[in-house]
Amino acid sequence: NAGVMQNPRHLVRRRGQEARLRCSPMKGHSHVYWYRQLPEEGLKFMVYLQKENIIDESGMPKERFSAEFPKEGPSILRIQQVVRGDSAAYFCASSPRDNYGYTFGSGTRLTVV
Amino acid sequence: KQEVTQIPAALSVPEGENLVLNCSFTDSAIYNLQWFRQDPGKGLTSLLLIQSSQREQTSGRLNASLDKSSGRSTLYIAASQPGDSATYLCAVENRDDKIIFGKGTRLHILP
Repeated sequence: NAGVMQNPRHLVRRRGQEARLRCSPMKGHSHVYWYRQLPEEGLKFMVYLQKENIIDESGMPKERFSAEFPKEGPSILRIQQVVRGDSAAYFCASSPRDNYGYTFGSGTRLTVV
Repeated sequence: KQEVTQIPAALSVPEGENLVLNCSFTDSAIYNLQWFRQDPGKGLTSLLLIQSSQREQTSGRLNASLDKSSGRSTLYIAASQPGDSATYLCAVENRDDKIIFGKGTRLHILP
C-alpha cells in the first residue's frame, strides 16, 4: 500500500494561471480531505469529499477554488487565476470511514510568482 | 466552534530528558484525537490515535493521554533524542467529520 500520493510535490505558477493538485488516497479509502498550510500558520480545513460527492466545502474560498473526487481517478484540487496569497502547502488526507484516523500525503507546495 | 490550542509553541530540551507536550480543545464532543509529527518542509506522520472512549495510547517512547471531559491531551516523550526534533501537531476529529488542528509545538532536542 503506497500511502496517500500527492503530485506534484512542488508547483510554480505565474499569477493568473491555473493550478491543479492531485491526490490519490490509500487503497480502500473513500474519504478525502484537503488542508492548506500557510507559512507559520496551522493546517486549515478546506474540503471533505467522498466518491463523486462534496460533503463539506465550508473551508474553501467561494471563488477560484474547486475540488472533485471522481468515481475513477484521483481527487483534484483546482485553483483558477492564482494569486500570490495562494502560495502555501496543500495537504491531502484520506480515511476509510468515519472515526478511523487520517493518513496524510506529503503535500504539494505551490508557489505563485 | 472547536478550537485546539497547543502549549508551548516551542520547546528546547537536552537530549535524554523526558518531556510533555500539551493540547487542549474547547468542544468535548469529539470522535478521536490524533497526534502527528511534521518535519520541516515535509508531510504529516501519524504518531498516535486515541478514540474518544480511550484514555491513552502508547507507541515505543511515546505515550498520549486523553481527558475528554476536561478537553485535554498530553503527549509524553521519554528519553528524548535529537531525531525527535520536529513540530508536533494535535488534531481532533469532530462529529461533523472535520479534523481541527492546533498550531503545533516546535520541539528541538539539544545534542
